[in-house]
Amino acid sequence: KQEVTQIPAALSVPEGENLVLNCSFTDSAIYNLQWFRQDPGKGLTSLLLIQSSQREQTSGRLNASLDKSSGRSTLYIAASQPGDSATYLCAGLIQGAQKLVFGQGTRLTINP
Amino acid sequence: DGGITQSPKYLFRKEGQNVTLSCEQNLNHDAMYWYRQDPGQGLRLIYYSQIVNDFQKGDIAEGYSVSREKKESFPLTVTSAQKNPTAFYLCASRRDGYTFGSGTRLTVV
Repeated sequence: KQEVTQIPAALSVPEGENLVLNCSFTDSAIYNLQWFRQDPGKGLTSLLLIQSSQREQTSGRLNASLDKSSGRSTLYIAASQPGDSATYLCAGLIQGAQKLVFGQGTRLTINP
Repeated sequence: DGGITQSPKYLFRKEGQNVTLSCEQNLNHDAMYWYRQDPGQGLRLIYYSQIVNDFQKGDIAEGYSVSREKKESFPLTVTSAQKNPTAFYLCASRRDGYTFGSGTRLTVV
């Protein structure tokens, strides 16, 4: 059974810091990987999608990478802002499956 | 703008009642999904549909039913057989990546 672990579970940092969120899969047969942001009581907002032929994606201050050989992904946030405070979820689509498998999330707080 | 619309945002169910959650998309995606989110348990797949008039059970389908009569619509019915329905329900569609709706919070009263 595919399991996804996100580390740390919670993170609190001062504004302006660069930070890294981690995600690892027990089964490295990942077809593609997606990072989401969730604000309290809201749906999921897609941040970055790394497709099967890709190893990383960038959008603004965000960069996500995927190492399929180890089953690990990282989300890098540069120059963090209070508006970045949210829960960040990683999710992988397993090869041959039709199910997106989610981690439990990292709750991020950026302090002004 | 293309996206997924879930309604209602909040829903209250009495014991023994069936309730239906609406999910509509205008993204022209073939695949649609229903997930349930509970505190401390992450997101779990209830049902999914890859094409009109076809759907499959996910990990926690008991007590739920779905239909897919139109490409744009994938409603979820929470039946009285679902013993613990209080949760946040999220609908999604997919082409390459997944797009999620804003969710429906269901509470048993």
